[in-house]
Amino acid sequence: DGGITQSPKYLFRKEGQNVTLSCEQNLNHDAMYWYRQDPGQGLRLIYYSQIVNDFQKGDIAEGYSVSREKKESFPLTVTSAQKNPTAFYLCASSIAGYYGYTFGSGTRLTVV
Amino acid sequence: DQQVKQNSPSLSVQEGRISILNCDYTNSMFDYFLWYKKYPAEGPTFLISISSIKDKNEDGRFTVFLNKSAKHLSLHIVPSQPGDSAVYFCAAILQGGKLIFGQGTELSVKP
Repeated sequence: DGGITQSPKYLFRKEGQNVTLSCEQNLNHDAMYWYRQDPGQGLRLIYYSQIVNDFQKGDIAEGYSVSREKKESFPLTVTSAQKNPTAFYLCASSIAGYYGYTFGSGTRLTVV
Repeated sequence: DQQVKQNSPSLSVQEGRISILNCDYTNSMFDYFLWYKKYPAEGPTFLISISSIKDKNEDGRFTVFLNKSAKHLSLHIVPSQPGDSAVYFCAAILQGGKLIFGQGTELSVKP
């Protein structure tokens, strides 16, 4: 079954720690995206990558970092510089130039 | 600057009746619009889309209408079913760009 997998589903982090969220897809999609969902604010774009070894900042990239070493993988690191990291994080992928994104099931990050 | 706006955070409808979800946008250069449906603790799933060169697209119980002069689109669900209860996101895209989402509207369909 082709799809996009995010892990873990729930993640707890202490203040001051970095944490990495995993996103893997076996759809052979070129483009991958990270969104953040907060109540009443919809989905906001953090980072995106349209090709391996290249990525661009989205609207709210501060305090986050990404890498795209393989086509299938686009991990997101939430650094200690991110002031309000508690949120629901969604990874998505798409065929280049195609508008229909496929989303993963998300990771709920909570800072304790 | 919110380029895509869903001004109603919630909507409650009786089963069998019509649900109308609204979305406004500010950028007249958007060339494609999509609606996604999202259940709690899950990722959004694609529902229906419309190109800016059309004013209506229909798929079963779901119809999307686009009014370019008003920069407004709406999603009609008829008849509404309890399983339609979810958060609905409107999204817009520029050619070669990324999806820009609205804030979402939580639809509750009551039996």
